[in-house]
Amino acid sequence: GAVVSQHPSWVICKSGTSVKIECRSLDFQATTMFWYRQFPKQSLMLMATSNEGSKATYEQGVEKDKFLINHASLTLSTLTVTSAHPEDSSFYICSARDQGQGGSYEQYFGPGTRLTVT
Amino acid sequence: GNSVTQMEGPVTLSEEAFLTINCTYTATGYPSLFWYVQYPGEGLQLLLKATKADDKGSNKGFEATYRKETTSFHLEKGSVQVSDSAVYFCALRGRTGGFKTIFGAGTRLFVKA
Repeated sequence: GAVVSQHPSWVICKSGTSVKIECRSLDFQATTMFWYRQFPKQSLMLMATSNEGSKATYEQGVEKDKFLINHASLTLSTLTVTSAHPEDSSFYICSARDQGQGGSYEQYFGPGTRLTVT
Repeated sequence: GNSVTQMEGPVTLSEEAFLTINCTYTATGYPSLFWYVQYPGEGLQLLLKATKADDKGSNKGFEATYRKETTSFHLEKGSVQVSDSAVYFCALRGRTGGFKTIFGAGTRLFVKA
């Protein structure tokens, strides 16, 4: 089946630094990827829709200058948390939509990246 | 806008008990409906789905039927196992508006041996 990977799986960084999280679709093309955030024992909240070759679309209340999204290829989207603070600590999950030629148009989720900002 | 409401947890059951987790939705049009499962420390896994009214999704003994008249997609399993302990998310995806997936709050299930 289709696989989405995320790297790193967990990261600890100091307050004020930036962290980049990668999301890759391993065996299909994804012109659209989604980034979610999950707080402990809570649901997933959609942060933004990442579109290959164009700007991401952010959900209301999400700071686009803080959460930079780049979708430079059909298999890779990155989320950069800039000037991270402890309140940015969370579980970040991406999903990718299989919409290449012959694709299923299903969405597949990555395993998540746990970010801890100290 | 679209939304999903599912029963609050945690739900605690003994092994071999019957499981129901209620899920209702609000949506324009005819969304696809999903149940995802998240095991401790892991990402989401698709458990089952239904794409149109009266469809029944099933997987690993779990079932859910897309009920348009009651806007519901309740998850059921006849006999739960300890290994079913996880958080279950009901979700919907519209056919327009960027195909975003909207999740319910999640229901934590504990199954005791």
